[in-house]
This record gives sequence, structure tokens and C-alpha cells, in this order.
Amino acid sequence: EAQVTQNPRYLITVTGKKLTVTCSQNMNHEYMSWYRQDPGLGLRQIYYSMNVEVTDKGDVPEGYKVSRKEKRNFPLILESPSPNQTSLYFCASSLTLTSGKGTQYFGPGTRLTVL
Amino acid sequence: GENVEQHPSTLSVQEGDSAVIKCTYSDSASNYFPWYKQELGKRPQLIIDIRSNVGEKKDQRIAVTLNKTAKHFSLHITETQPEDSAVYFCAASKGNNDMRFGAGTRLTVKP
Repeated sequence: EAQVTQNPRYLITVTGKKLTVTCSQNMNHEYMSWYRQDPGLGLRQIYYSMNVEVTDKGDVPEGYKVSRKEKRNFPLILESPSPNQTSLYFCASSLTLTSGKGTQYFGPGTRLTVL
Repeated sequence: GENVEQHPSTLSVQEGDSAVIKCTYSDSASNYFPWYKQELGKRPQLIIDIRSNVGEKKDQRIAVTLNKTAKHFSLHITETQPEDSAVYFCAASKGNNDMRFGAGTRLTVKP
């Protein structure tokens, strides 16, 4: 089954404790992206990756890191989480965004709470 | 960078009526405009999209129109049903680049 998976789905942590949220897709998609969703603000892009070893900042990259060592995986790393990073996080992938072929498939979401 | 504004933020309609959600974008280079539906507790899912070389696209009860000159696009849902109740997001992309989303519209369809 074609899908985007994220883990964990729920996480409660404390300020400063490094964490990683994993994202994996099995559709051989080139493009992957991370978003955070906050009430009234919609989906804001954190980082995106056009392909392996190619990543770029989105709207709100501060406090986050990503890596794209393999095509299928795009982990989101919070080196020192802070309470303002409490949010619902979505990973998404698409075949490509070129030529307007950007249908994105979203993962199930990770609800993160930083105390 | 691209800025996408979406209106209204909430919309309540009677079952069977039509619903219209409007979005404006700022970057004339944007060429791809998807619409996503997010039901409560679920992930966003694409419902329809339009590319900049097309002015209108329809899929059953859902249609999207694009006005490139005015830089706005709209989602039209006809004969609304209670299962259409959800949050709807518009987005704009230039391709080879980031995708910007609107803040969302919470649509409630009253039986």
C-alpha cells in the first residue's frame, strides 16, 4: 500500500531534550516536506527536500534540522526543543513539484508537546 | 516570498446549498494550486488541483476556478452534504520550490 508513515504519532517531552521524528514513504517520491500545523495559522512549511542530499528551508526552519540520506526517509530533528515547538507535525511527499505535478501525500501527523 | 490568504476562516451552510472559499496569492510565478480537505483528527488530503494554464476544473460537486490576472482562485462545492464538513486549505506553489498554504476555512454543513 502506497503511504507516508511517521513515528511517533504522539510525543510529550521536556525542554532541551533532543528528539527525532521519522518520516518514510514507499512511493519513490523525490520531493518530501515537513509542515507544522497550529490553530489559525494553517500549515507552515519547515523544510523540504527536492531529492537525496538536497534540502532547503521553508517558512519556519528555526530550531529544526533535517537530513535526506535516502530517498524514502526524511527525519525531522529538534536539537533542543522549546515549548513554542509544541504543535502538530506533518510529513508529506510528492513525485515532484516541477511542472505543476505536485500532488502531496501527507503522513498521519505527530502531535508534539514540549513542557 | 509567496503569501496566500484564504477567506472566510469559517463558513456555515445549510445542506444542499453551495459553498465558496476564496484564496489570493502574491507571487505571479506560482503555477500550481491544490486544495486539501482535512477532517477532524485526520491528515490533509488533496481534493482537487489546478495548474496555471487552466482557468477552471471540475470534479463532480467540486470545482476550482483560477484568475491569473487577479491572482486569486476559488473552491466551489455544490449540493453540500454533512460529510463535506471539514477544514479546507488552499495552497500555491511555483514548482521546484516550497508550497505555501492558506490559513484554512472551517466549513460546517448543517443538516
